[in-house]
Amino acid sequence: DQQVKQNSPSLSVQEGRISILNCDYTNSMFDYFLWYKKYPAEGPTFLISISSIKDKNEDGRFTVFLNKSAKHLSLHIVPSQPGDSAVYFCAASEREGETSGSRLTFGEGTQLTVNP
Amino acid sequence: EAQVTQNPRYLITVTGKKLTVTCSQNMNHEYMSWYRQDPGLGLRQIYYSMNVEVTDKGDVPEGYKVSRKEKRNFPLILESPSPNQTSLYFCASSRDRFLVALHFGNGTRLTVT
Repeated sequence: DQQVKQNSPSLSVQEGRISILNCDYTNSMFDYFLWYKKYPAEGPTFLISISSIKDKNEDGRFTVFLNKSAKHLSLHIVPSQPGDSAVYFCAASEREGETSGSRLTFGEGTQLTVNP
Repeated sequence: EAQVTQNPRYLITVTGKKLTVTCSQNMNHEYMSWYRQDPGLGLRQIYYSMNVEVTDKGDVPEGYKVSRKEKRNFPLILESPSPNQTSLYFCASSRDRFLVALHFGNGTRLTVT
């Protein structure tokens, strides 16, 4: 039962254009969402997060959008750069409730390739 | 430098031979966790620890053990490894249980033959 799904295993974009990575979730108790970036031979690194009380969070070239009614979030990268080529993982957490945080559920990941 | 250190980076072993993957963090983080990454499945949580002597199961704990005797260390123990435990393993730590941002180690590639 995959509670967090990234339906696109890969995405290829041209340098300078927008990259849009998508993520869907099924557990309505999730209230905190994060994106991680992973380069080969390294561990994932935190990129950006959003709480369910917001619908948008921006950090430089990276913006995360949350649509709670659709249980969907997306990561926009504008403009895309070759150094952004990596695997991007979406993750979700239930910060209020029995487990009160402590568990992070990840999606399968999307390989982004930005071509020069 | 703030970091999570895992050892070894690569390990090849045979079925049934007990092994331990070590994990250490130098950030005085309370929360630590182990994940495995498999193709098409993303990262799945094995075990986590909210503090010293406090551990709990994640989504895929079968075949694994952990201990948290000191705040900085969180070893992953495979008492009797099997081929289905061949995977890429990541240790991670966080300031608190709300996981604002996990810090990950660089991974341990385990092959069980």
